[in-house]
Amino acid sequence: DTAVSQTPKYLVTQMGNDKSIKCEQNLGHDTMYWYKQDSKKFLKIMFSYNNKELIINETVPNRFSPKSPDKAHLNLHINSLELGDSAVYFCASRSGVGNQPQHFGDGTRLSIL
Amino acid sequence: AQSVTQPDIHITVSEGASLELRCNYSYGATPYLFWYVQSPGQGLQLLLKYFSGDTLVQGIKGFEAEFKRSQSSFNLRKPSVHWSDAAEYFCAVGAGQAGTALIFGKGTTLSVSS
Repeated sequence: DTAVSQTPKYLVTQMGNDKSIKCEQNLGHDTMYWYKQDSKKFLKIMFSYNNKELIINETVPNRFSPKSPDKAHLNLHINSLELGDSAVYFCASRSGVGNQPQHFGDGTRLSIL
Repeated sequence: AQSVTQPDIHITVSEGASLELRCNYSYGATPYLFWYVQSPGQGLQLLLKYFSGDTLVQGIKGFEAEFKRSQSSFNLRKPSVHWSDAAEYFCAVGAGQAGTALIFGKGTTLSVSS
């Protein structure tokens, strides 16, 4: 009964390829996020969606495109992968009602060869 | 600008000893503060949170944290560390509005020696 699940857990691919990471939450939350954790373990927000609407779009290359087909899903598509995209990508979700913390998935480790 | 500082990059504590991890924040309004723990290869697990009220908050796994507005600090403590506590610890600040992202510190790696 994983609350926030990401697939795949590991993704190894070559430069120039296009890949997607999927995220699903079964918590009934209406806000979802993508964070990037770099090799020094620093976590930074990339995108945030609230009720399928884009709320936060940090300075991220436009090769990264999030898509939220419904409130429970937030996918991340990356075009023309570069070496610098190697990182762990975390999906998170949060209830928009009241003071609630964010719940994180286990992450997707993306390695670019 | 909002920021979170965790001054200690790496701390080693003997098993059974007490622990304090430091966190300082910079935030214009009343902050919502969090501590998360990340075990190797795992996601982030919430240890505890502070929104308002009692400045000493209790969390899971025997952790507690104290909010000190005058010092802009939210330090994490545990009276007796277990070997299984070895992990990466992140302090984060956020606002209450839906969609607002968390701002994380750079993390503190905790090692536990026997």
